[in-house]
This record gives sequence, structure tokens and C-alpha cells, in this order.
Amino acid sequence: LAKTTQPISMDSYEGQEVNITCSHNNIATNDYITWYQQFPSQGPRFIIQGYKTKVTNEVASLFIPADRKSSTLSLPRVSLSDTAVYYCLVGDWNAGNMLTFGGGTRLMVKP
Amino acid sequence: ETGVTQTPRHLVMGMTNKKSLKCEQHLGHNAMYWYKQSAKKPLELMFVYSLEERVENNSVPSRFSPECPNSSHLFLHLHTLQPEDSALYLCASSQDPGRGSSPLHFGNGTRLTVT
Repeated sequence: LAKTTQPISMDSYEGQEVNITCSHNNIATNDYITWYQQFPSQGPRFIIQGYKTKVTNEVASLFIPADRKSSTLSLPRVSLSDTAVYYCLVGDWNAGNMLTFGGGTRLMVKP
Repeated sequence: ETGVTQTPRHLVMGMTNKKSLKCEQHLGHNAMYWYKQSAKKPLELMFVYSLEERVENNSVPSRFSPECPNSSHLFLHLHTLQPEDSALYLCASSQDPGRGSSPLHFGNGTRLTVT
């Protein structure tokens, strides 16, 4: 099971770039790395997914080193509305690993 | 706005009641999931239905009973619950059953309170 470890919380200010790192030391060959965002009383929302190197979309970038034992979600120029909990998810239950969420990182963006 | 709809949004029930949570996905996905989110705890995977096959988390008590009549609908039947079962119950779906490369699409959950 690819257990993930993230910082419990982070603070930032509007307009700054925020980088959240997730450790997944025992990631399996078939595992993808997926990040979700969750606001209070809502379900998590897909942000970005990658397998290796770098992925970028209109919302964020995801950096994955060659050994894939960690990944970094990068949010450019955050705003107050980016205040949320961010989850890193690694796994593939077809290979025997349940899609298990870690504790997430609570990001607080201040004005 | 979400392609996964859960009803009801809020539910209060006594320990002797029987109730059901409903989930419907409008995305044409092949897999559906139930997650439990308690205060200050990570999301816990409860059940997975994939192409009519059920994959169950062994730690889920029998007072929770899932039902998946077709690929678009998922139910969670509740009976004889305990106060510690109070939580946000989230339904999700994905295109490819259980594959880590297939992102999960969540509904907004049912906030359950057991009194």
C-alpha cells in the first residue's frame, strides 16, 4: 500500500506560489499520483494527475522526480479561494492497493 | 456543479432507524465508491463497485450495506447505527474501475448524524 505523507497545514499570502510536497516512498510501478482539493462540506475535486516528470494544467503543476518517491503540487499566485484541504492520492486497487487518502494538507491563504 | 449527485444532503437518524443514502452519477463511469469522512480523520474507503463486482473494505461493519443496481446508481443502506457513525458520507465514480490513472469524481456528500 502506497502510504502518503503530507504536511498537516501551510499558510500563504495572496499572490504567492505555494508548493505542497507529498512523500510516497513505497509507490508501485503502476501507481499514478493524483491531487484533490476539498472545501468544507463538499466532496474532493480533482486537480491534477501525473506518473512521472512534470504535468501542467490551467490550475496547477505537478512535479515528480525520477525515483517517484515524492511529488510536489505547485499552485501559482494563490487567492483566498484556494484556502482548502489538498490531498495526495497514490494507488491502484487492481494491483491490490486500495485508493487510500492520507491526512491532507490544510492550506490557509491570507490577504 | 457535479456529475455525481447524492441525496439527502443531511440526515438525522436514531440508532434503531433504517435509512438509505442514494448516489447517482451522470458521467457514464464504470465504477462507484463509498467513502466515509469523520472529523479530523482521513477519508476512509468503504466499498467499491466495479462492473457489477463488489470490492469491500473488510473493516466496514455489517450495519452498512451497499447496493449497486446498475452502473449509474449506488445505495448505502444503514441500520442500527452508532453515534460514532456520524460523518460525511461521500460517493464517487471513476471511468476505469479502480485504476489509479482514472480520477475519482465525488458528490458533495450526505452529512449523517446518529442520535
